[in-house]
Amino acid sequence: RKEVEQDPGPFNVPEGATVAFNCTYSNSASQSFFWYRQDCRKEPKLLMSVYSSGNEDGRFTAQLNRASQYISLLIRDSKLSDSATYLCVVNSPNSGGGADGLTFGKGTHLIIQP
Amino acid sequence: DVKVTQSSRYLVKRTGEKVFLECVQDMDHENMFWYRQDPGLGLRLIYFSYDVKMKEKGDIPEGYSVSREKKERFSLILESASTNQTSMYLCATSSVIRLSETQYFGPGTRLLVL
Repeated sequence: RKEVEQDPGPFNVPEGATVAFNCTYSNSASQSFFWYRQDCRKEPKLLMSVYSSGNEDGRFTAQLNRASQYISLLIRDSKLSDSATYLCVVNSPNSGGGADGLTFGKGTHLIIQP
Repeated sequence: DVKVTQSSRYLVKRTGEKVFLECVQDMDHENMFWYRQDPGLGLRLIYFSYDVKMKEKGDIPEGYSVSREKKERFSLILESASTNQTSMYLCATSSVIRLSETQYFGPGTRLLVL
């Protein structure tokens, strides 16, 4: 069965630092990739999609490595408000992950310290 | 913007009670999902539906049932609540038309079973 794996952390990072974490997936047929952010006691919300060529949104950069089957999220100049859990999400159609094939990682907990 | 609402943010029930959790979405999405989220276990799929009156078991359907009588509404039913069903319950929706689309979550219901 397909899996999406993440280091649960917590990652304790000083404010202003750069932090990166990876997510590995086991299904080589996976087609779409996303990073979600979940604040404490709130619902997950889409942070960004991950494209084959890599993509950047402000301080956030997401990259995909199909050969090694991992995606990464890089946060530059981290802010206190970046403290959250970051969920890796992989879409593998016809793999049993629900009607749309989405499978969620368990998340990486990030704590930005002042 | 997609809006997904859940009937309650917090709920306290007693063991053996029948519990209804309702989810309503306004984006005409075909797919709807119910997850539970517990510390260290991540999101676990209970049931999903890809059309009215259609339902499919997810990873942990035992002790739960669902109902989808209308496209915009997906209900999760705990036939006889037990203490191990104390959890955060999250509803999500996605479109079947755009397979690269991701899921949108409701705010969640924190259920405590005493």
